Amino acid sequence: EPEVTQTPSHQVTQMGQEVILRCVPISNHLYFYWYRQILGQKVEFLVSFYNNEISEKSEIFDDQFSVERPDGSNFTLKIRSTKLEDSAMYFCASSVSLAGRTGELFFGEGSRLTVL
Amino acid sequence: KNEVEQSPQNLTAQEGEFITINCSYSVGISALHWLQQHPGGGIVSLFMLSSGKKKHGRLIATINIQEKHSSLHITASHPRDSAVYICAFALSGGYQKVTFGIGTKLQVIP
Repeated sequence: EPEVTQTPSHQVTQMGQEVILRCVPISNHLYFYWYRQILGQKVEFLVSFYNNEISEKSEIFDDQFSVERPDGSNFTLKIRSTKLEDSAMYFCASSVSLAGRTGELFFGEGSRLTVL
Repeated sequence: KNEVEQSPQNLTAQEGEFITINCSYSVGISALHWLQQHPGGGIVSLFMLSSGKKKHGRLIATINIQEKHSSLHITASHPRDSAVYICAFALSGGYQKVTFGIGTKLQVIP
């Protein structure tokens, strides 16, 4: 069964360092998303990506964050100059169609980021 | 504020019991998602619905758009159903952002 894969599963980094989280969405999906979940809190939307550009982003997704799809398969989230409060589980998801309408979301297993 | 409320927040059931988890929201939505988060953290989509009722195996999801309420039912519960069940919605108007509830932690005891 097709699945969304994420790497790394866990990354530990020093405050101020740059981190890149990688995702391979399901191949025929058109919409890609990043979510995060701080320990003990609810899942929060970060950004959605369609047709090689950001289609929607939350207030959390500031200039510290960026996304790209460099090669048509990988979908990456870059966090520049990490802060302690960036420590969270980051989930990539994809859908065939718009998640807000008919698109069921398929999630990866998550990448746990720990900022020291 | 666009929020979703779930009840109960924690639920312990005996194996075989019928379980209901409720979700209420206060805004116009285009779709409501029910998701399952495993103890290890992975998230699986169970249902996406915008009206009526859907059934998959022992799981049933219903939504009442007028009352802004959805329920997830689990029949003949089993210890492997133990997980956090999350209700989430997308606002009407074509928004892609999905707003998540805090989840209901279910433990099914043998």
